[in-house]
Amino acid sequence: DGGITQSPKYLFRKEGQNVTLSCEQNLNHDAMYWYRQDPGQGLRLIYYSQIVNDFQKGDIAEGYSVSREKKESFPLTVTSAQKNPTAFYLCASSSAGGRGSGNEQFFGPGTRLTVL
Amino acid sequence: GDSVTQMEGPVTLSEEAFLTINCTYTATGYPSLFWYVQYPGEGLQLLLKATKADDKGSNKGFEATYRKETTSFHLEKGSVQVSDSAVYFCALSVGGGYNKLIFGAGTRLAVHP
Repeated sequence: DGGITQSPKYLFRKEGQNVTLSCEQNLNHDAMYWYRQDPGQGLRLIYYSQIVNDFQKGDIAEGYSVSREKKESFPLTVTSAQKNPTAFYLCASSSAGGRGSGNEQFFGPGTRLTVL
Repeated sequence: GDSVTQMEGPVTLSEEAFLTINCTYTATGYPSLFWYVQYPGEGLQLLLKATKADDKGSNKGFEATYRKETTSFHLEKGSVQVSDSAVYFCALSVGGGYNKLIFGAGTRLAVHP
């Protein structure tokens, strides 16, 4: 079955440690995204990538880093510079599309990160 | 800038009641509009979408019509079930090559037997 997988489902981190969240898709999508979700809030875009070896900052990129070495994979590193990293992190992917194409984003199941 | 505003929740209904969740947007140009649903502890699933004015998206008994004149995309269902309990997100796509989505804050729906 095609889809997006994220691992781990739950992650605990001590303050001052970097941690990497995995995101893999087998939908053959060009574009991938990372969002952060906090209680009672909508999703905020952290980083996105339209093509391998290229990515751009979203609205809240500070304290995060990404790589896109393969089309299928878009890992997110939460660094010690991120002041409030406890949140639910969602990865998504979509096919490329022009303005108004309405291409949907497909979401993974999420990773809940807790800083101890 | 582009934005989405949803009615605040939680919305609490009895089974078989009529549901409306309001969504209005501000956008330049002609965005595509989406409703996503999130069940507890899970990622988001696309519920329905509309790509141009007057389009009606529908799925699983849910409907929403893209109203350009009122910049709205309200979600409706005639008879809700307990299994519809979830958080519903309205979103718009500002287009471009990667279809960036802008989300509303989400509306939690609780349906009781």
